[in-house]
Formats: sequence, structure tokens, C-alpha cells
Amino acid sequence: GEDVEQSLFLSVREGDSSVINCTYTDSSSTYLYWYKQEPGAGLQLLTYIFSNMDMKQDQRLTVLLNKKDKHLSLRIADTQTGDSAIYFCAETPGDRLAFGKGNQVVVIP
Amino acid sequence: DADVTQTPRNRITKTGKRIMLECSQTKGHDRMYWYRQDPGLGLRLIYYSFDVKDINKGEISDGYSVSRQAQAKFSLSLESAIPNQTALYFCATGGQDYGYTFGSGTRLTVV
Repeated sequence: GEDVEQSLFLSVREGDSSVINCTYTDSSSTYLYWYKQEPGAGLQLLTYIFSNMDMKQDQRLTVLLNKKDKHLSLRIADTQTGDSAIYFCAETPGDRLAFGKGNQVVVIP
Repeated sequence: DADVTQTPRNRITKTGKRIMLECSQTKGHDRMYWYRQDPGLGLRLIYYSFDVKDINKGEISDGYSVSRQAQAKFSLSLESAIPNQTALYFCATGGQDYGYTFGSGTRLTVV
């Protein structure tokens, strides 16, 4: 995970928007991913974006990709208490998943 | 049945013991992976296999070995467990073209 950088902690009020940022290094990654890990649980694929796209929207989730700056972001609209989790971005150098350190999101009711 | 099954789910073992973590998948993919998760460090790749005859070291392979017994089975061994191998271990299968599927994880504690 040393090539994928994420900030570590975000606190947000229920109903507000959350934005999680990620910087990656592998320009050959065909897809970039966001995974969610709830407390005590495994990894759940949240969404992904194809590398030739700038934006992808999926219900409350918006992914923005800036290939020039190798920057990926995830916006969660109308954040709910069930969104409290650790979020990992991942790139795919050599078709292997390489993860960032994760960003813990805590939703305050 | 889960697409990727890891056994055991939890294990406590003593320093110096040999332990094997097992993984099986029903997705029919050739590629399988073992990751380790430590708090604040994300998931780090231990070993990966692109087919039955292909084994590759990841970024943190020291102290670990793997065996790819069949397309569906990929096991991880700790030959002589040490306390800093206490972690959550994940097995995965897949690739960019069809996505990645993870097991539920094995929580290993070395005392």
C-alpha cells in the first residue's frame, strides 16, 4: 500500500456529504476501486471507475478521477450512520490490487 | 456457499508453531491472492498466483510460504509463527477484467 496514499480519519454529521481522497501512482491501472470495510467485517466492493472516465455516479456515490494528477476521490451524499466504516482506494499494477492505508469515516448522528 | 471461503475464521497459535491458512474459491478464476491487514497499514500483498504453476512474492513475503494445490485452492503457511504476524489475513480471487472477490478473513493471533 505504500504507493497509494490516503488521509486517515474523517468525521461527518449525518446528512452531510463526505469526501475521501486518494493519490495513486500506477498510470497503467485499467480500473481504480473503492472498497468499504465495516467494523469486524471483510471487504466490500463499493464502486469502481474505468481509467478513461472522469466521473462515475452510482446513487449516493460519486467518483472523480483526475488522471493527470493521479487523484481519485469518493463523495458520499447524505451520509448515513451505516456509512461509518474504513474506506480503501486501490489501484491495479500488474493486475494485482494495491491498497491505500484506508480512511476511517465516523458518522455522527 | 461463499464464493471465497477461508478457514479457519479465527486462530490463536503459539510462537514457533507452523500454521496453515486455507482458501478455496468457486468463481473459476485462475488468479488468487493473499493479503495481510494491520490497523493503519491497509492491506498488503503477501503472495499471488496467476495460475496453478505460477507463484509470485508480494511486498511482504518474508516468513510466509504458499501452495497452489488446484485452480480453486491456495493456502498460506507460516513456517514458524512470530507475534508480529498477528493480523487479519484475506484471500482473494479475480482480476481487472472481472473484478476481485474477497473471503471473510482469518484473524490470526500469535502468542
